[in-house]
Amino acid sequence: DTGVSQDPRHKITKRGQNVTFRCDPISEHNRLYWYRQTLGQGPEFLTYFQNEAQLEKSRLLSDRFSAERPKGSFSTLEIQRTEQGDSAMYLCASSLRGAGETQYFGPGTRLLVL
Amino acid sequence: EDQVTQSPEALRLQEGESSSLNCSYTVSGLRGLFWYRQDPGKGPEFLFTLYSAGEEKEKERLKATLTKKESFLHITAPKPEDSATYLCAVDGSARQLTFGSGTQLTVLP
Repeated sequence: DTGVSQDPRHKITKRGQNVTFRCDPISEHNRLYWYRQTLGQGPEFLTYFQNEAQLEKSRLLSDRFSAERPKGSFSTLEIQRTEQGDSAMYLCASSLRGAGETQYFGPGTRLLVL
Repeated sequence: EDQVTQSPEALRLQEGESSSLNCSYTVSGLRGLFWYRQDPGKGPEFLFTLYSAGEEKEKERLKATLTKKESFLHITAPKPEDSATYLCAVDGSARQLTFGSGTQLTVLP
């Protein structure tokens, strides 16, 4: 059983550095989502892809954030010029189709910006 | 704008003491309501999906129910291993999941 995987699991970086996270969805899932979660809060939507097309982005996603899913399989989320406020858990989820379909989450990448 | 409110924020139960968690939601068109369990430092683990008022789903000691305005997660005779944060989310007019802040459940032996 290959669920959603994320790499790295933990990342510590200095303010101003760039970081990139990777997500591998469940195979055959055509939708891939990125969320951000801070302590004591539920996950907040950032963006999602259907196959390789990025269909929606939250207003939370500043210009410093960019996401790609080049071949409709794995996805990357890059944060440029990190700020301390970017410290959070970054979660990836995938689903088989779309509306109303269950999203399955990966273990997350914990980012700490010093 | 879709909104989800969960209560209580935290709940402490003795082992075997049954209780319910509440999830109130506002959406213009509900496509699905989801319950997840999240352990510290891990991603949310899927529990249930509910699609229409009156629907119920059960899994071991957990039972989820849905009305037009809220959902309940009933926990019967909980065990310490049920301790976790339980998250409720809706797939509605926003076309992505909108989560509540969760209920942190602690079951004492």
